Amino acid sequence: DAGVIQSPRHEVTEMGQEVTLRCKPISGHNSLFWYRQTMMRGLELLIYFNNNVPIDDSGMPEDRFSAKMPNASFSTLKIQPSEPRDSAVYFCASRDQGAGRNQPQHFGDGTRLSIL
Amino acid sequence: AQTVTQSQPEMSVQEAETVTLSCTYDTSESDYYLFWYKQPPSRQMILVIRQEAYKQQNATENRFSVNFQKAAKSFSLKISDSQLGDAAMYFCASTLLNAGNNRKLIWGLGTSLAVNP
Repeated sequence: DAGVIQSPRHEVTEMGQEVTLRCKPISGHNSLFWYRQTMMRGLELLIYFNNNVPIDDSGMPEDRFSAKMPNASFSTLKIQPSEPRDSAVYFCASRDQGAGRNQPQHFGDGTRLSIL
Repeated sequence: AQTVTQSQPEMSVQEAETVTLSCTYDTSESDYYLFWYKQPPSRQMILVIRQEAYKQQNATENRFSVNFQKAAKSFSLKISDSQLGDAAMYFCASTLLNAGNNRKLIWGLGTSLAVNP
């Protein structure tokens, strides 16, 4: 089975540019999570969706960040305008909430984002 | 606020030896779940083991086992017969149930494990 697919794997861009990160969850999973990982702050939950609906976006750092899930098989995380402090690894994870409360989150390989 | 604490930023173990990584958590829930994830240098996040809080029996997955002490809110990971491939960052996580009956994970900051040949 295909796992969570994220693209791009690496992104290097200049500050002020718009950045879009993409995620395809595992087919059949109805919960999707976006995380940011840095050395200083560890793994931070930015936002998560249940059945394509945003449930908790309290981790989104500021208005420059936005996330959408237009359908069950695709989500985007957008940063506009980007800043050097946004440099991090961004992970997407999905989970089958209906399969039981002990179901783990399955992670993609992450996008390493560098803002110059 | 619910927290997960991993008090050991770094650990090391000799190949073939046993190592225990500690994790404590703070929750007011009675029904929750605990996980250990491994992140090797390839940066993938890989599930190692999970534990349901209502189960008294400690979870085991091959060389990996946990010592779950519910009253003490402790969830340590034991790696037996350590292998070079076990070198990674290990994260402990606990579920948090929100008002909408949705669960998210609360994460520790991780323990970096080195395996010495």
